[in-house]
Amino acid sequence: GAVVSQHPSWVICKSGTSVKIECRSLDFQATTMFWYRQFPKQSLMLMATSNEGSKATYEQGVEKDKFLINHASLTLSTLTVTSAHPEDSSFYICSARDQGDEQYFGPGTRLTVT
Amino acid sequence: GQQLNQSPQSMFIQEGEDVSMNCTSSSIFNTWLWYKQDPGEGPVLLIALYKAGELTSNGRLTAQFGITRKDSFLNISASIPSDVGIYFCAGRGASNYQLIWGAGTKLIIKP
Repeated sequence: GAVVSQHPSWVICKSGTSVKIECRSLDFQATTMFWYRQFPKQSLMLMATSNEGSKATYEQGVEKDKFLINHASLTLSTLTVTSAHPEDSSFYICSARDQGDEQYFGPGTRLTVT
Repeated sequence: GQQLNQSPQSMFIQEGEDVSMNCTSSSIFNTWLWYKQDPGEGPVLLIALYKAGELTSNGRLTAQFGITRKDSFLNISASIPSDVGIYFCAGRGASNYQLIWGAGTKLIIKP
């Protein structure tokens, strides 16, 4: 149980385009999902907390207009990187909180902006 | 943002050796979690600790929630090649669901 999927697992896009990443909880309902960003050899950095049916809460320094988050159902949250630039290249990981309050992580999405 | 003090940063181990790593914090946490992350993958939850002094095992892994609620350790006994990876500790306070992360401990098998 407690499986979280992400799609795509990797994506290459051109500078200026937008990219959407999906996060799904496959066998449980998640009222809260989290989006993280991870740079090489570093720990996870929380970008935003996403609650189903409400606006996401963004961490300080994360641009909400650049990283659009939608949590339309109890099993799906999406992160859209708008007008992507090379500095947005990173490993993006989502997690979903189960009813036991623990976070289960997706496999991550490697974004490369050329 | 706030980060836990996790040590060591990296460890070179030989197969069969026991491994120990720990995390400390200046703040009190209600929950301590240990995750393992393989290259190109998301973290996988290994052990969750909910009570001060709690000692929990998961196979060859043992973790403890410090009495002061400001520290935790993870031990791995009789290491095997598939233990290589990066281990992260994470703490959670009472006020929200957000996790505070350690910087990670990288396990490497000596050739």
